[in-house]
Parts: sequence; structure tokens; C-alpha cells
Amino acid sequence: AQRVTQPEKLLSVFKGAPVELKCNYSYSGSPELFWYVQYSRQRLQLLLRHISRESIKGFTADLNKGETSFHLKKPFAQEEDSAMYYCAMEYGNKLVFGAGTILRVKS
Amino acid sequence: DVKVTQSSRYLVKRTGEKVFLECVQDMDHENMFWYRQDPGLGLRLIYFSYDVKMKEKGDIPEGYSVSREKKERFSLILESASTNQTSMYLCASSRDRGGQETQYFGPGTRLLVL
Repeated sequence: AQRVTQPEKLLSVFKGAPVELKCNYSYSGSPELFWYVQYSRQRLQLLLRHISRESIKGFTADLNKGETSFHLKKPFAQEEDSAMYYCAMEYGNKLVFGAGTILRVKS
Repeated sequence: DVKVTQSSRYLVKRTGEKVFLECVQDMDHENMFWYRQDPGLGLRLIYFSYDVKMKEKGDIPEGYSVSREKKERFSLILESASTNQTSMYLCASSRDRGGQETQYFGPGTRLLVL
């Protein structure tokens, strides 16, 4: 079955430290992959998508087909990055979401 | 900006009650979705709709039904609420059919079934 795995429920880092939120997917084809973010008391929103190859708020994500991964990275974490992050994969006209990772950036 | 609104932020219902959750989007989007969000489980798709009067089951449709009589409105119905349906419910919409389109989410409805 198509699945998105985010192995960490909680990732806690200090301000200025590098961040890597892990995401692995199971799919035999070439999926479209996304990262969605939910800040405290805000609605869930798109952070970035694989196809755009953008850097948003300093975050990047590279698709590694060999490892079936789409990890989210930022070289220097900021306190305002604290949020819930969901990795998602497009499958059959819909999205399959991972369980989410809470990122806490400590000062 | 796309605006997706949900009729209630918080609801408290009793077991066996019929519950209606309403979602409205104002951007003429084709697709609409209902998810439930639970800690440790992420977002799970209940139902989605890619056109008026069209609906498709998601991953966890049991105990739910939906209605899309108008393009802008997508309703989630719990025919007989149960305690295991206590959750946060998120509505979303996207422009076109196709999972690669950005989904825009509503603020969520937190439902407590007693």
C-alpha cells in the first residue's frame, strides 16, 4: 500500500542548529511530494512541493528516489519554525499524509 | 487568497446524534476533501469530491457520508455519532482534479462525542 512515513513524532533543536525532518514513502512510480506545515493556532498550509524545487522560509527538500525519501532541511533553525510538519505524497488524485513531526526550536 | 471556512470551530454531541459539518470555499475550486486529524495518525482522508454531486471514498469512510449539492459547499455527515469519531475534522479544497494541486485547508472543527 502507498504509505508516507515520518519516523519522528517530535524533533527538538536549538535555535541556529540545522534541522532535518525525515520523510520516506512507498510507491513504485514517480510521485509528487509535498511538505505541509501547521503553525500554532493557524490552519494547515503548503510549505513546499517537490516539483517547484523552491526554497521556502529557508527550507529545502530533495527527492531521493533510491532511498525513497523526501527529507525537509534547513541549515539554521529559527524559533518561528516551531510547528507541526506533514509530509504528503500524491496518489490517485489525492494526497496521502504522514503522521507528522512536531518541530520545537528552543532558544 | 483562497478562503475555506468551516461552520463550527468546536462541537459537542452525544452518542447516536446526527452531526453535520459544513465547509465552504470561495475560489470556485473543483475538488473538496474531508480529513480527520488525530495525534500520531496524521491526516486521514474520509471522502472527497471532484464535482457537484460526485463523491469518492477516501481511506476511512465508514460511519460518514458526504453531500455536495453546490460547487462551493461540501458537507460531512455523521449519521450516528460515536465516541471514536471524536477528532479534529479538516476540510480542504483544490483548484483542479489531480493530487498535485495545492490543497487549501479550513481552520478545522474539533468534535467531541460524549
